[in-house]
Amino acid sequence: SAVISQKPSRDICQRGTSLTIQCQVDSQVTMMFWYRQQPGQSLTLIATANQGSEATYESGFVIDKFPISRPNLTFSTLTVSNMSPEDSSIYLCSVEGGRGAYEQYFGPGTRLTVT
Amino acid sequence: AQKVTQAQTEISVVEKEDVTLDCVYETRDTTYYLFWYKQPPSGELVFLIRRNSFDEQNEISGRYSWNFQKSTSSFNFTITASQVVDSAVYFCALVNQAGTALIFGKGTTLSVSS
Repeated sequence: SAVISQKPSRDICQRGTSLTIQCQVDSQVTMMFWYRQQPGQSLTLIATANQGSEATYESGFVIDKFPISRPNLTFSTLTVSNMSPEDSSIYLCSVEGGRGAYEQYFGPGTRLTVT
Repeated sequence: AQKVTQAQTEISVVEKEDVTLDCVYETRDTTYYLFWYKQPPSGELVFLIRRNSFDEQNEISGRYSWNFQKSTSSFNFTITASQVVDSAVYFCALVNQAGTALIFGKGTTLSVSS
């Protein structure tokens, strides 16, 4: 399985600011995913990021709020823009393990608190 | 529409008890994949098992076992002789129709006391 790291592991931010979360994988992967887990809730897919193309966003998530970059096959960033307390969540990066979504491994997550 | 339901929000057991976590899914696909993940207090998601719709054999891995029944659209997870280290949130998930990502249930919080 892939080894995935995320930075930062946690952060406390003020409303109206933006935070960029980094996801690094130890091997090249085609598909990377970003999920959000609000407090006490399940995981919800934000977007799928393939290298060399624009990210595909799920219903309810827009690029202006959650811009994503995917500059190469081992790295991606998710920015949470113009934050509000409702954005307080764990943000998880996930990568496909060779079989697309049929084998996914998750990073340790970034715990974001917006005050 | 695809959906995963974990009706049990929280379960508390005492060490060495057996516990079963329920998962019911909905999908129109004839081929699909189901998963279980564990999320300990540290927050990281740990992959436990993947099962495809063509394989209805039950699987056992140590103290863990899974019962997949297409007739009832269920994929239940049993921990035998539970331990304190099993305390975590457990998620059942289904691959979405596009085959691009996972649809998660709301999770079951398991607390095992000594």
